[in-house]
Amino acid sequence: SQQGEEDPQALSIQEGENATMNCSYKTSINNLQWYRQNSGRGLVHLILIRSNEREKHSGRLRVTLDTSKKSSSLLITASRAADTASYFCARLNTGGFKTIFGAGTRLFVKA
Amino acid sequence: DAGVTQSPTHLIKTRGQQVTLRCSPISGHKSVSWYQQVLGQGPQFIFQYYEKEERGRGNFPDRFSARQFPNYSSELNVNALLLGDSALYLCASTGTGDIRSYNEQFFGPGTRLTVL
Repeated sequence: SQQGEEDPQALSIQEGENATMNCSYKTSINNLQWYRQNSGRGLVHLILIRSNEREKHSGRLRVTLDTSKKSSSLLITASRAADTASYFCARLNTGGFKTIFGAGTRLFVKA
Repeated sequence: DAGVTQSPTHLIKTRGQQVTLRCSPISGHKSVSWYQQVLGQGPQFIFQYYEKEERGRGNFPDRFSARQFPNYSSELNVNALLLGDSALYLCASTGTGDIRSYNEQFFGPGTRLTVL
């Protein structure tokens, strides 16, 4: 079963609007990762935030991490139709050999 | 440079059959991980291999097996296929086996398996 949960499950916005996706997890982490997946294809790594970081930026992406609440958020600013995809948060298991993914947020950006 | 490659792209099998999926990691990468992604869900970890040895295994039955070759490519085998095995199977490679350090995983495009 998935050990990370994203919400919302689906999000539909207009081009130019901001999109915010949230992720919650149950155990302590060393880092949290966000991935994008287009149309059931391979995943692309977007950004990694370490447990001692609170916020990280990459282009139009902004990720925050609140370890006290065991939650993270991904903000995409000024969204584009090309941002339409599924977004997943992921973390390593305790042993460090497997990545545990959430169920994902499906983002649809209307042109 | 080529990324992670997987073959075949699509595959249709019937229940009870066996299937072999193949993955070639990025040149220089020594670790390969396999994931199963059922439609509408996130990927679920199946195996990780590093230097031809199994480093970790997810909650999958023994019908699932894998191996890694001296050139670091890998095969995933699934025996006695069930309808529920229909999924996208993803392969990811990393530079080393210790992803705690953190070495970014690079994913292939996946193999879409349909079991009828």
